[in-house]
Amino acid sequence: AQTVTQSQPEMSVQEAETVTLSCTYDTSESDYYLFWYKQPPSRQMILVIRQEAYKQQNATENRFSVNFQKAAKSFSLKISDSQLGDAAMYFCAYIEDSNYQLIWGAGTKLIIKP
Amino acid sequence: GAVVSQHPSRVICKSGTSVKIECRSLDFQATTMFWYRQFPKQSLMLMATSNEGSKATYEQGVEKDKFLINHASLTLSTLTVTSAHPEDSSFYICSASGWATTSYEQYFGPGTRLTVT
Repeated sequence: AQTVTQSQPEMSVQEAETVTLSCTYDTSESDYYLFWYKQPPSRQMILVIRQEAYKQQNATENRFSVNFQKAAKSFSLKISDSQLGDAAMYFCAYIEDSNYQLIWGAGTKLIIKP
Repeated sequence: GAVVSQHPSRVICKSGTSVKIECRSLDFQATTMFWYRQFPKQSLMLMATSNEGSKATYEQGVEKDKFLINHASLTLSTLTVTSAHPEDSSFYICSASGWATTSYEQYFGPGTRLTVT
């Protein structure tokens, strides 16, 4: 069965610094998609970044980038120049090309220190 | 684009009553909608998946007679918690995906906090 593991329940970073959140997954599929979602205190799930498994190039969205290592089944999120508004729960998620269901990690709580 | 709304955002009901939560896709046709439950400080737990015009597929352990899901149109799905009890108190989130969305991405509603007294 597919699983997603986030080994860091909580991370903290100084404002303006860089932080990396880790995520590993287990699958036997070759076609799939990976996501990082942010859930701020409002609890609205917000898509941060998406990576297609067939793409070798790491996805980037402004201050957010991923390190996608397909062979290692690793999908970490790097947040550069951390801002107070980045404080939230971050969830890593996986979805297969043939199945619509998202498989979720347990989440990492990110704290930004001013 | 790809906005999903949920109503109500908060609801308090008495034990034994039923409550309906609506999930709407505002600017795209949602062929598939998902209902999640989230306990405090935990990840999302998928309750059921519904395709427009079809019966919902419930995850193991979710009582389909208690959590009634209807997906009668391409823009609306409803979750009815029947005979609610305090243990049903939780945060319920819907999401939707459709032909216009990309890479099977799900778009999330803002959630509904249900409190059963």
